[in-house]
Amino acid sequence: QQQVKQSPQSLIVQKGGISIINCAYENTAFDYFPWYQQFPGKGPALLIAIRPDVSEKKEGRFTISFNKSAKQFSLHIMDSQPGDSATYFCAAGGATNKLIFGTGTLLAVQP
Amino acid sequence: NAGVMQNPRHLVRRRGQEARLRCSPMKGHSHVYWYRQLPEEGLKFMVYLQKENIIDESGMPKERFSAEFPKEGPSILRIQQVVRGDSAAYFCASSLWLDDGYTFGSGTRLTVV
Repeated sequence: QQQVKQSPQSLIVQKGGISIINCAYENTAFDYFPWYQQFPGKGPALLIAIRPDVSEKKEGRFTISFNKSAKQFSLHIMDSQPGDSATYFCAAGGATNKLIFGTGTLLAVQP
Repeated sequence: NAGVMQNPRHLVRRRGQEARLRCSPMKGHSHVYWYRQLPEEGLKFMVYLQKENIIDESGMPKERFSAEFPKEGPSILRIQQVVRGDSAAYFCASSLWLDDGYTFGSGTRLTVV
């Protein structure tokens, strides 16, 4: 019940394309869903987060879509750039839960 | 605000030695978390601490691993009698609230030779 399943494991997108990463969770007590971006040799950095009272949140080129009934959420990166090439982690947690992370998606944006 | 500070950045230990990893949380953050990351794997939760208290250590191996967050000073993750399988990147994070974004440090990369 504590798992967060993330897919795909890796993704190659052309510059200007849309990158989509999906996550699914099991624990209905989760009420906080962040996405983190990690570059090689660095720690993960918070990118964007959503709570279940909204179905979508957009910040610049990054959008989270949230489906509470399906217990799924996804990250969309519009107009993907080579500088977006990194590993992306979804996570789930909440007021009574530490963050549980997905296994990561290695994104490569080709110029 | 210097963010979450971890040291050392790299640590090499021989099998059987002790490894001590330090983490200073962001100013004002009272929640500290330790995660382990193996190559090409996700972040595995180890332990969650508040000042002087271990709140959740469900992800930490029962033997050889311990963690503390004293009233004064940094949080310490201690690994006794290290083995090759302990080689990994260890990340510390802190947050203001439990259901708040975590700020991660740059990690300590432990290599056991």
